[in-house]
Amino acid sequence: NAGVMQNPRHLVRRRGQEARLRCSPMKGHSHVYWYRQLPEEGLKFMVYLQKENIIDESGMPKERFSAEFPKEGPSILRIQQVVRGDSAAYFCASSQPAGLNEQFFGPGTRLTVL
Amino acid sequence: DAKTTQPNSMESNEEEPVHLPCNHSTISGTDYIHWYRQLPSQGPEYVIHGLTSNVNNRMASLAIAEDRKSSTLILHRATLRDAAVYYCIPYNNNDMRFGAGTRLTVKP
Repeated sequence: NAGVMQNPRHLVRRRGQEARLRCSPMKGHSHVYWYRQLPEEGLKFMVYLQKENIIDESGMPKERFSAEFPKEGPSILRIQQVVRGDSAAYFCASSQPAGLNEQFFGPGTRLTVL
Repeated sequence: DAKTTQPNSMESNEEEPVHLPCNHSTISGTDYIHWYRQLPSQGPEYVIHGLTSNVNNRMASLAIAEDRKSSTLILHRATLRDAAVYYCIPYNNNDMRFGAGTRLTVKP
């Protein structure tokens, strides 16, 4: 049973470009979470999604950031018109439905904005 | 959201027990106490969680104060592979709030 998969593992973008980060949850998991980690800091919650629904996006910046988890395929975190401050590690986690289930984290995507 | 306080860093010698404290004085009655750890250049991994009673699993033990305002993660015999940042997270919904955690260094 493969764990949570994220790709790419490393992504370099120039200012103004778009970044697309993908997350495939563990088999059987229908809940996906995205976190951002700036250098030398803890993880910051961004968004929680179930299939085709955004449940909580209270941690998402209001502009340029969006997330989706379609019925088929991976969850996508999209950052439009990236700026240098977007440089960070972005982690995805997944869990089974309902309750206080353990979240399983992927290896992260390290975004560098030049 | 409950605020947590953890030491910034701790050191341990290999093969010795380690007690990692966490204060969560504003924890609500329905919050479980979760511990995750993050090894260098990796995503966090679950360690243990509990509500009121002390808990044990193959990785660690969790001792929860009777008033639930603090807890202690216990690694019974630290190994070099246990060097990581350990996060204590009171949690009762789906948006876990990570603090800065405790960076554990294990010396051979």
